[in-house]
Amino acid sequence: DGGITQSPKYLFRKEGQNVTLSCEQNLNHDAMYWYRQDPGQGLRLIYYSQIVNDFQKGDIAEGYSVSREKKESFPLTVTSAQKNPTAFYLCASMVATMNTEAFFGQGTRLTVV
Amino acid sequence: AQSVTQLDSHVSVSEGTPVLLRCNYSSSYSPSLFWYVQHPNKGLQLLLKYTSAATLVKGINGFEAEFKKSETSFHLTKPSAHMSDAAEYFCVVSDLGGSSNTGKLIFGQGTTLQVKP
Repeated sequence: DGGITQSPKYLFRKEGQNVTLSCEQNLNHDAMYWYRQDPGQGLRLIYYSQIVNDFQKGDIAEGYSVSREKKESFPLTVTSAQKNPTAFYLCASMVATMNTEAFFGQGTRLTVV
Repeated sequence: AQSVTQLDSHVSVSEGTPVLLRCNYSSSYSPSLFWYVQHPNKGLQLLLKYTSAATLVKGINGFEAEFKKSETSFHLTKPSAHMSDAAEYFCVVSDLGGSSNTGKLIFGQGTTLQVKP
């Protein structure tokens, strides 16, 4: 089945530790996105990539890093510079042409312990 | 700049009664508008999308939305609520078709739909 797979579903991070969230898609989509969701808020864009080996900062990129070495994969690293990383992280992909929608993964819940 | 405002943070209805979730948008060009649903600790699922082909858009699970340019609204409705409709609903606008054209999504704050038996 085609879709987006995020792993792990739950992740616990210690203070000062970097962690990487995985996002893989087999939809052959060029564009991929990382969003952060906090309780009672809509989603906010962290990073996006419209093509392999290229990515841009979104609205809240500080403390995060990404790579796009393969079309199928867009991992997100939450670094120790991110002061408030506890949140629900959602990965999305799309064709990114007019009238197309984004497809979302099931999310990763990150908690700082 | 584009924006989306969901007018109700929480809506409560009884099972079998109509659902109305309100959304206003702001866009300098013809927008791509969407409604997504999210069940607890899950990803987002597309309910429907406005593509300018028709102002009344039908989606999954009996939901529909009407695009009203004069009112800059895209309200979501369902004639009869079911218990399984209880979830978080997001009205979303895309930057596709505008000057940036990145596929970036701008989300409303979300509306929690409660369905009472």
